Amino acid sequence: AQTVTQSQPEMSVQEAETVTLSCTYDTSENNYYLFWYKQPPSRQMILVIRQEAYKQQNATENRFSVNFQKAAKSFSLKISDSQLGDTAMYFCAFVLHSGGGADGLTFGKGTHLIIQP
Amino acid sequence: GAGVSQSPSNKVTEKGKDVELRCDPISGHTALYWYRQSLGQGLEFLIYFQGNSAPDKSGLPSDRFSAERTGGSVSTLTIQRTQQEDSAVYLCASSLYGTRQGNQPQHFGDGTRLSIL
Repeated sequence: AQTVTQSQPEMSVQEAETVTLSCTYDTSENNYYLFWYKQPPSRQMILVIRQEAYKQQNATENRFSVNFQKAAKSFSLKISDSQLGDTAMYFCAFVLHSGGGADGLTFGKGTHLIIQP
Repeated sequence: GAGVSQSPSNKVTEKGKDVELRCDPISGHTALYWYRQSLGQGLEFLIYFQGNSAPDKSGLPSDRFSAERTGGSVSTLTIQRTQQEDSAVYLCASSLYGTRQGNQPQHFGDGTRLSIL
């Protein structure tokens, strides 16, 4: 079974600062996908960024980027120039690529990110 | 519709009653997922549909839980003889096809907050 660990229950930074959220995972498989989702108080889960394990290049989406270290099974999220609207719960998620079995995401426990004005 | 729609948004019911939660996925999405989010357990994957078929129901917490999907569209999650530990937010997601098959991200609804008195 796969597991996802987010070791930072809560983080707080000042607006415009850069913040990095950590995520590690455990799997014996080689092909998988990783995601970061954001959940603001409105409750809706919003996809922030995704990474295919077979790609060495780190994914980027505007102010959001990841540091994917496959050998270390690490998938951290960096938010640059943080904004008040970035305040939310952030979840790291994992799913295997192809093969049998269920298609559901395995989530970490989440990191509550607070951006201070 | 434009996004995944879930109803009701909130549901309060007495212990022992049956409840039915509804999910209307994004039009054209063949894959549909149910998750449960609670303080103690975090985000748990419950069940996945590809079309109208659920290949694996082992994620459902007990035999009081059942789910179906008809016409490859709307899905209902039914909880019979509700217990207080069933109190949680139930999230539904859909993707164009299975996440594992084609790296299709899951798009989430706003969830149903279920409270068992």
